[in-house]
Amino acid sequence: GAGVSQSPSNKVTEKGKDVELRCDPISGHTALYWYRQSLGQGLEFLIYFQGNSAPDKSGLPSDRFSAERTGGSVSTLTIQRTQQEDSAVYLCASSRTGNTEAFFGQGTRLTVV
Amino acid sequence: KNEVEQSPQNLTAQEGEFITINCSYSVGISALHWLQQHPGGGIVSLFMLSSGKKKHGRLIATINIQEKHSSLHITASHPRDSAVYICAVRGNYQLIWGAGTKLIIKP
Repeated sequence: GAGVSQSPSNKVTEKGKDVELRCDPISGHTALYWYRQSLGQGLEFLIYFQGNSAPDKSGLPSDRFSAERTGGSVSTLTIQRTQQEDSAVYLCASSRTGNTEAFFGQGTRLTVV
Repeated sequence: KNEVEQSPQNLTAQEGEFITINCSYSVGISALHWLQQHPGGGIVSLFMLSSGKKKHGRLIATINIQEKHSSLHITASHPRDSAVYICAVRGNYQLIWGAGTKLIIKP
């Protein structure tokens, strides 16, 4: 596609449920990043993929968070047993390599009630 | 001390004014990004710099690697420039973000 696509754009879920967020990067981009932005806060790094592997998972806040990337393209971020503090906008970005300009998706707004 | 410091945190100006937003960082970087985030909107990459100066329309970004400082300038500012402007530096993999500068341009 022309840009980074994320789905869903909005997700409301009940506390304790699992959610899956999807990121479709720009075709040919090998690097993919997940960030989150809580209300009124800055951007928080979660995980970086180079191809299908994740050299840096240091930002995942707990073992309830996991991410995978298959075929060097689409990535899914899974949050298990969601908590209210997981409510945030989850942003995905991709870049051609790990050291070139990053392009952002519109984000998924997650609300845990 | 944060690794990336932006100033000012908030800036309100009149339409037409020349705007400068500053970014200082304390880590070694391979590149610096300026990004724009509109209220309720996504994030748009404005510039990626590793040296010198870049210009796009009314936006100019400069970086001084020795001084670990970058500036984003907006000439002939317009109300549609109102947004949060974020400086982010790239280390090995991840981007290290500044807190952002909230810019409001009044007509």
